[in-house]
Amino acid sequence: GAVVSQHPSRVICKSGTSVKIECRSLDFQATTMFWYRQFPKQSLMLMATSNEGSKATYEQGVEKDKFLINHASLTLSTLTVTSAHPEDSSFYICSASLGTGAEAFFGQGTRLTVV
Amino acid sequence: EDQVTQSPEALRLQEGESSSLNCSYTVSGLRGLFWYRQDPGKGPEFLFTLYSAGEEKEKERLKATLTKKESFLHITAPKPEDSATYLCAVQALSSASKIIFGSGTRLSIRP
Repeated sequence: GAVVSQHPSRVICKSGTSVKIECRSLDFQATTMFWYRQFPKQSLMLMATSNEGSKATYEQGVEKDKFLINHASLTLSTLTVTSAHPEDSSFYICSASLGTGAEAFFGQGTRLTVV
Repeated sequence: EDQVTQSPEALRLQEGESSSLNCSYTVSGLRGLFWYRQDPGKGPEFLFTLYSAGEEKEKERLKATLTKKESFLHITAPKPEDSATYLCAVQALSSASKIIFGSGTRLSIRP
């Protein structure tokens, strides 16, 4: 299957700072990538859809000014958590698919801890 | 509203004891239904895609089936290494590439 790489896998940051998470499709081009958040023992909650060359589409209740998404190329999308607070601590996962109707492949996830 | 419901929430089996996981869905036209496996602290790993009622797919001890309202993930003679959370997800015809996930079934296989 296709490979999606996410970096870093773990990050600890101080409250008030910003953190950037990268998501790369290694062996295919992805015009669309997705960002999810997952709380312990819960399922994946879609945060936003990242579109190459255009603005991301955010799900209801997700603050676009807090979770900045940039999809600068067909293989890279970034999620920046701005002015992070302890309640932003979570597991963030990205995914990319080969196209509409095709399965999505996921990155390894990033465990963010805000102290 | 598109919705995915998985049951049971958790399932504990003895090694070799076969069972099935259920995924019920409500979508305004199904484009595809997906099964994933997720281990703790990792991203989901793709298992199967099903597109139409009656379709079946198999991989080792796992078999996925699809009807117009639900999908089953059958696990035959499971081993401890099959312990994981199994996630079901759907993509609706109306939602482009967006995929909606169920809450998952935590499967534990005792040796």
